[in-house]
Amino acid sequence: GNSVTQMEGPVTLSEEAFLTINCTYTATGYPSLFWYVQYPGEGLQLLLKATKADDKGSNKGFEATYRKETTSFHLEKGSVQVSDSAVYFCALGNQFYFGTGTSLTVIP
Amino acid sequence: ETGVTQSPTHLIKTRGQQVTLRCSSQSGHNTVSWYQQALGQGPQFIFQYYREEENGRGNFPPRFSGLQFPNYSSELNVNALELDDSALYLCASSSRLASSDEQYFGPGTRLTVT
Repeated sequence: GNSVTQMEGPVTLSEEAFLTINCTYTATGYPSLFWYVQYPGEGLQLLLKATKADDKGSNKGFEATYRKETTSFHLEKGSVQVSDSAVYFCALGNQFYFGTGTSLTVIP
Repeated sequence: ETGVTQSPTHLIKTRGQQVTLRCSSQSGHNTVSWYQQALGQGPQFIFQYYREEENGRGNFPPRFSGLQFPNYSSELNVNALELDDSALYLCASSSRLASSDEQYFGPGTRLTVT
């Protein structure tokens, strides 16, 4: 069946540090892959997406590449800001299987 | 363009009671999905509705049921509430015409069962 495995948190980084949050998936076919972000007290917001193998999704300095060979969709950002503090969810498309979420705290 | 809205924002119910949560989909979207998000967890898929028919269901018992109306808005009903039903319930809408399955989420309804 379909599933998503996401890096355990919480993650604490200093401002301007490099961020990687790992996500691997199991799926039948080639579904779209997504990263969603959830700020405290809010619903989920789409951060970026990729619809096929080797696609790179990007938004607000975040990037993730759909890697079919390693079944991965790792989230990266070169220089995090305090405002990036949130919970990040990797998700598999169609009927949406979510990872358990990774909490990120960025300290000044 | 109006986004996904949900009501109520919060509610408190007693074990054994029934609850109805409501969702208005984003303009132009014909598919609505419901998710349960327990504290500190990722959202879990409950079911999806397309053109007023259930179109897939996650691992939830029959006391979780839903409806979709001709204007594509939707309801989630939960009977015989249990303490473990306490969670944030998220509604998401999408368009079957979109190629990427992208879903747009509402702010959620926080349900507390005591």
